[in-house]
Amino acid sequence: DQQVKQNSPSLSVQEGRISILNCDYTNSMFDYFLWYKKYPAEGPTFLISISSIKDKNEDGRFTVFLNKSAKHLSLHIVPSQPGDSAVYFCAALHFSGSARQLTFGSGTQLTVLP
Amino acid sequence: EAGVAQSPRYKIIEKRQSVAFWCNPISGHATLYWYQQILGQGPKLLIQFQNNGVVDDSQLPKDRFSAERLKGVDSTLKIQPAKLEDSAVYLCASSPKNSGSTDTQYFGPGTRLTVL
Repeated sequence: DQQVKQNSPSLSVQEGRISILNCDYTNSMFDYFLWYKKYPAEGPTFLISISSIKDKNEDGRFTVFLNKSAKHLSLHIVPSQPGDSAVYFCAALHFSGSARQLTFGSGTQLTVLP
Repeated sequence: EAGVAQSPRYKIIEKRQSVAFWCNPISGHATLYWYQQILGQGPKLLIQFQNNGVVDDSQLPKDRFSAERLKGVDSTLKIQPAKLEDSAVYLCASSPKNSGSTDTQYFGPGTRLTVL
């Protein structure tokens, strides 16, 4: 039972263009949504998050959009740079008392072509 | 600031053997997590510690997996006995507080386990 889904395993874009990574979820109880970036042989690194009560959060070149009615979020990277090439994981956070349950999608490999 | 340290980085064992992984979180971080990442999937939470107490181990296969964080700092994750399906990267993460915010988790590089 995958509660967080990233249906595109890979995405290629040209340097300078926009990258759009998509994520769908099924559980309405999630409190926050996060994006992590992962380079080979390293652990995931936090990129940006959005509260479930917001519909947009922006940080420099990265913007996350949340559509609660569609249970869908997306990460926009503008402009894309070759250094952005990595696996991007969408994750959903649920608070349960002191527990912080972070559920990850399967990831999307982004390749930015020079 | 030093990041989350994990060792070993790689481990190869035969099925039915035992294995242990070690994690040293970022200094001062109260919360520590262990994740299992199978190839082609996202990380899956196994256990969460707050200081040296277990907060959530609902997804830990307790018949073969165990974890401890005795002094509220370092942690070990053990598998005994290992099965073929335990082949994965085991990630440790830590976060500074547990106050209801997003409480960003910082991940270590992981230990890649291969069970033959």
